[in-house]
Amino acid sequence: DGGITQSPKYLFRKEGQNVTLSCEQNLNHDAMYWYRQDPGQGLRLIYYSQIVNDFQKGDIAEGYSVSREKKESFPLTVTSAQKNPTAFYLCASRGLAVNSGANVLTFGAGSRLTVL
Amino acid sequence: GESVGLHLPTLSVQEGDNSIINCAYSNSASDYFIWYKQESGKGPQFIIDIRSNMDKRQGQRVTVLLNKTVKHLSLQIAATQPGDSAVYFCAENKGTSYDKVIFGPGTSLSVIP
Repeated sequence: DGGITQSPKYLFRKEGQNVTLSCEQNLNHDAMYWYRQDPGQGLRLIYYSQIVNDFQKGDIAEGYSVSREKKESFPLTVTSAQKNPTAFYLCASRGLAVNSGANVLTFGAGSRLTVL
Repeated sequence: GESVGLHLPTLSVQEGDNSIINCAYSNSASDYFIWYKQESGKGPQFIIDIRSNMDKRQGQRVTVLLNKTVKHLSLQIAATQPGDSAVYFCAENKGTSYDKVIFGPGTSLSVIP
């Protein structure tokens, strides 16, 4: 089945450590996104990538880094510079919806990061 | 600036009743508006979209209404079921552009059995 796979689902990190969250898609979508979600809140865009080897900062890019070496993969690194990294991280790719001309996001199941 | 926001953060409805979830937007240039459903602990899922040149679109048990005059979007769920309990987000989509997708804060729908 086509979709987005995020790993790990749960991750614990000590302060001062960098962690990398994996995101893989087999939908053949060009565009991929990373969002952060805090409890009871909406989605805030961290980074997005339109094409391989290109990515753009979103609204809250500070303390995060990404790479896009392959079309299928868009890993997110949460660095020690991110002051409040505990959150639910969602990866998505963007493509045409069935029966619609709209480009919609397909999300992964998320990665929950907790800083101890 | 651009924003998509929801009027009500929480909504409780009796099972079998109809639900109406509202959304206000400020960017009139959007080509599409999209509704997503997020169940607890999961990623959001696409429900339905509506083009900016339409007033109404129906899906299975869901209807989306767009009022461009007052920049208002709503999602109606008919005969609400326990499985409809989730957070619902509206989002703006600028056609094929790869611009960032803007989400509202979400409305939490609880269905009372």
